[in-house]
Amino acid sequence: GDSVVQTEGQVLPSEGDSLIVNCSYETTQYPSLFWYVQYPGEGPQLHLKAMKANDKGRNKGFEAMYRKETTSFHLEKDSVQESDSAVYFCAPRRAGNNRKLIWGLGTSLAVNP
Amino acid sequence: DAGITQSPRHKVTETGTPVTLRCHQTENHRYMYWYRQDPGHGLRLIHYSYGVKDTDKGEVSDGYSVSRSKTEDFLLTLESATSSQTSVYFCAISEPRLAGAHNEQFFGPGTRLTVL
Repeated sequence: GDSVVQTEGQVLPSEGDSLIVNCSYETTQYPSLFWYVQYPGEGPQLHLKAMKANDKGRNKGFEAMYRKETTSFHLEKDSVQESDSAVYFCAPRRAGNNRKLIWGLGTSLAVNP
Repeated sequence: DAGITQSPRHKVTETGTPVTLRCHQTENHRYMYWYRQDPGHGLRLIHYSYGVKDTDKGEVSDGYSVSRSKTEDFLLTLESATSSQTSVYFCAISEPRLAGAHNEQFFGPGTRLTVL
């Protein structure tokens, strides 16, 4: 079945550190790929997306490359800020299924000032 | 911000009582979803709707029912609440016909439900 695995638990970088949050997926069909972000007390919101192989999603200094050969969509940033602190979810959507996302368990990013 | 409201925002109830949560949207989006969020489990889909009176089960639908009698409202009912249903519930909407949107889901603010 379809599944997604992302960096577990909490990540605790200091401000200015580089960041990689891993996301690997398995789907029966060619997916679209999404990262959602959730700030405290709010619902998740779309952070960035990539629709096909070698597309790169970008938002607020974050990037993620759609790598079909390794079925990965890692979230990266060169220099994190305290305001980036949130929970990040990797969420593929299988091609031909417009209805549902496959949600990772979330990675909590807490940036030390 | 997408026009999505959830009511109530907080509710405390007792085991065995019925509970209905409401999601209201002003975006005219076709799809609506109910999720629950619990520590260690991320977001889990309970039910979703792909049109008025058209609904389907998600991965954790036992103990929950839904209804959608008009485009803007999607109701989630716990027929007889149990302590295991204590959670934060999120409604989301999407519209696959929007050009460039790729069926992005927009989330409401959530309802915190406590079952004692």
